[in-house]
This record gives sequence, C-alpha cells and structure tokens, in this order.
Amino acid sequence: DQQVKQNSPSLSVQEGRISILNCDYTNSMFDYFLWYKKYPAEGPTFLISISSIKDKNEDGRFTVFLNKSAKHLSLHIVPSQPGDSAVYFCAASGSGAGSYQLTFGKGTKLSVIP
Amino acid sequence: GAVVSQHPSRVICKSGTSVKIECRSLDFQATTMFWYRQFPKQSLMLMATSNEGSKATYEQGVEKDKFLINHASLTLSTLTVTSAHPEDSSFYICSAMNRGRETQYFGPGTRLLVL
Repeated sequence: DQQVKQNSPSLSVQEGRISILNCDYTNSMFDYFLWYKKYPAEGPTFLISISSIKDKNEDGRFTVFLNKSAKHLSLHIVPSQPGDSAVYFCAASGSGAGSYQLTFGKGTKLSVIP
Repeated sequence: GAVVSQHPSRVICKSGTSVKIECRSLDFQATTMFWYRQFPKQSLMLMATSNEGSKATYEQGVEKDKFLINHASLTLSTLTVTSAHPEDSSFYICSAMNRGRETQYFGPGTRLLVL
C-alpha cells in the first residue's frame, strides 16, 4: 500500500506559467515533507521541505503548501523555466527519534515547454 | 554545502563477482547514511539504513548477506554487492544526513550492469 502518492505521472507547462505538482499521503505519523528534483541517471537534488507545524514554505521560485487535514501537499514553481524539466519526487518522514527514513512517491515528470 | 559523492558512477561486471560502491559526504559529517535502489521508471526503494559504527538496518526483502554495508566513518559508507547476478543490475543511490538535521542529501548514483 503506497503511503505517499503522486497521482500525476506527468505534467506539461508553458514556460513562464505556474507548475503545480501534487502529493497525497496516508500515514498520519508523517510530519516532515520534502520535494526532490531528479534528472535521469542522477541522484535526487533536494529542493524544499516543510514541517507539519507549518502550512507554507517558500524559497525563491519554489513554494510548498501543506494541508494536514487533507493529507495533501503541493509544490508550486513560478515562473516555470525549461531547466525545471525533470522528475519531481515527494517524500515524507515520520516523527520520533531515528525516524528519518524517507518514503517516496513515484514521481511526476514535469516538462516545461519553451 | 551538503555534497555527497559516489564512486564509481558506472560499473559493468561479470556474474558471480563482487562490486563495491562508495558513498562519501564531502563537507559534513553523516551519522546516518541510506542506500536506495531505483528500477527504471520507478521510485526509489530504500534498501538499508546505515549508522556510523553500528550494523546496518535492512528493509524487508533485502538480503543482508548479499548487500554488505559498512559505515566505518562519519564520511564514508560502502555497499558491496556480493556474487552479483544480472537481476542486481540497477541504479544504486546513497544519501547522507547531517547530524541533527532531517534532510537527506543524495549522491549522484551508481549504474550497475551485471553481465
């Protein structure tokens, strides 16, 4: 049973517009959420994270929103650039000492069209 | 900061041989390192969690005698695939976590092809 779900395997967005990537989770023990960007044959690159005590975190063009009641988070990229084209993974970890293991979604492939 | 390297980036080996993959945190001390495996068009699957100076904790279904993990120092963890078989061919990625932090930083990955 998937605890972290990214229901859209792919997304295409015009350059300059907003990209919205969604992620849902089922485990109520998750309290830390991260977004990673990944190019083929490379390791994931950390983008942005959010703790469950917040509902929004912003870093430059990237903003992550967390809706705990809906167990839903989203990553907004604005404005989208062609270099943003990659696979984006949502990941979650639980609370408690040593609970740093990440559970990943299956990823969403973002294509930004020039 | 938070740079993690892996070596080698690509390796081809014959069936039955062993392959060692190194994971290093270059600018921070990593008390915990993780090893993942990624199959084509699939997500990252955690194989094991490695804490410096202690035995690794393996996920269910991962053979600890086949995938030997050593975390001898705060900056180095190694994964040895023993008696490799073609089905072990995959993309192996390590990550490292700063002491006191919750964010994992990933290495660039190692592509293993077993012939």
